[in-house]
Amino acid sequence: EVQLVESGGGLVQPGGSLRLSCAASGFIISSYWMSWVRRAPGKGLEWVANIKKDGSEKHYADSVKGRFTVSRDNAKNSLDLQMNSLRVEDTAVYYCARYCTGGGCDAFDIWGQGTMVTASS
Amino acid sequence: DIQMTQTPSSVSASVGDRVTITCRASQGISSWLNWYQQKPGKAPKLLIYTASNLQSGVPSRFSGSGSGTDFTLTISSLQPEDFAAYYCQQSNSYPITFGQGTRLEIK
Repeated sequence: EVQLVESGGGLVQPGGSLRLSCAASGFIISSYWMSWVRRAPGKGLEWVANIKKDGSEKHYADSVKGRFTVSRDNAKNSLDLQMNSLRVEDTAVYYCARYCTGGGCDAFDIWGQGTMVTASS
Repeated sequence: DIQMTQTPSSVSASVGDRVTITCRASQGISSWLNWYQQKPGKAPKLLIYTASNLQSGVPSRFSGSGSGTDFTLTISSLQPEDFAAYYCQQSNSYPITFGQGTRLEIK
């Protein structure tokens, strides 16, 4: 079964750091771009970051650029998101997602169940 | 950045109804438009990719159309499990952006 499982969420004070992880199973992540998407309470979906198959190219939303870093370990079939200088507005459920490319597909086709991050004092 | 605007923001409908949700891009995005469904407490689910392609396993009552700046998602005959939030998303260029969502509620 193709699956993504996030971990690492929790409560952190504004200005603090947190590292999210995403473990993939049922497919080889080295064949895919991978992504993080979040949904703040009462709001819609917001794309956070994308990372290329080999990690050589990364893209970030302006709202997290310079504070968040996406990385991947293809040998471990996993993806990480290092979040620094967290703000109250970063409070959200964070989803790990597979980003399909090629064959006309350019979308988030597999999603994890999400992990909650709360930045609050 | 490309802004995605969905209409309506919410809609009430009955089982068996035909429902259409519209998504407009602030500039042309060819067919690089995807649709997702999200139920409370669950992860989003890809329904339609590249404007009109049905994702594997998605019922055929869902369909998508459009190109350029105007797109639609149509549910031909609503089923009880279709009451959820729906989002469009453009993959034409970075930053990737989503519409604000449409909440589909039971009348």
